[in-house]
Amino acid sequence: DAGVIQSPRHEVTEMGQEVTLRCKPISGHDYLFWYRQTMMRGLELLIYFNNNVPIDDSGMPEDRFSAKMPNASFSTLKIQPSEPRDSAVYFCASRLAGSTDTQYFGPGTRLTVL
Amino acid sequence: DQQVKQNSPSLSVQEGRISILNCDYTNSMFDYFLWYKKYPAEGPTFLISISSIKDKNEDGRFTVFLNKSAKHLSLHIVPSQPGDSAVYFCAASAHRGSTLGRLYFGRGTQLTVWP
Repeated sequence: DAGVIQSPRHEVTEMGQEVTLRCKPISGHDYLFWYRQTMMRGLELLIYFNNNVPIDDSGMPEDRFSAKMPNASFSTLKIQPSEPRDSAVYFCASRLAGSTDTQYFGPGTRLTVL
Repeated sequence: DQQVKQNSPSLSVQEGRISILNCDYTNSMFDYFLWYKKYPAEGPTFLISISSIKDKNEDGRFTVFLNKSAKHLSLHIVPSQPGDSAVYFCAASAHRGSTLGRLYFGRGTQLTVWP
């Protein structure tokens, strides 16, 4: 299995631009999670989906952030407009319901907003 | 509000010695606990877990201990190796309630094992 795939691995953009991060979960997994890692806040959950339906988006910082999961094999996290304080590493993870609680993480997208 | 806390941001241990990483939690609904290891430029990877019905789980050099009354768990690495140098995250979940399916993470402890 290829594992969780994220793209791009690195993104550098200017303040005000739209940024879209992409994630392909492990095939067959029905939970998908978006996390953000920063020095100040550690690893924080932004939003998670179960069977493509958003379950909890209380971690989404503000309206500039949105996430979608149009099908079981693809999800996007969009930031519009981006700000320098959004600079962080964004991780996607997936999990199979009914199994252990283990989540499998992608390699992350390092976002830098200038 | 941080429900899972790792109060030591860093730990330095000599190769061959024991590494002990600690984690505290506040939510009594948590009944499953995990440790993840993260190398630079990679995503966290699952290391070991424990259910609340146990107080110890062992996997090779790694052992996790759970003290439910103290709401405390620890990860022991014996013997420590330089390749163990990484950030270690503690995580917890609840199998009941509205938070079913999500993990709560601590902020991580950077372990450095020196020769």
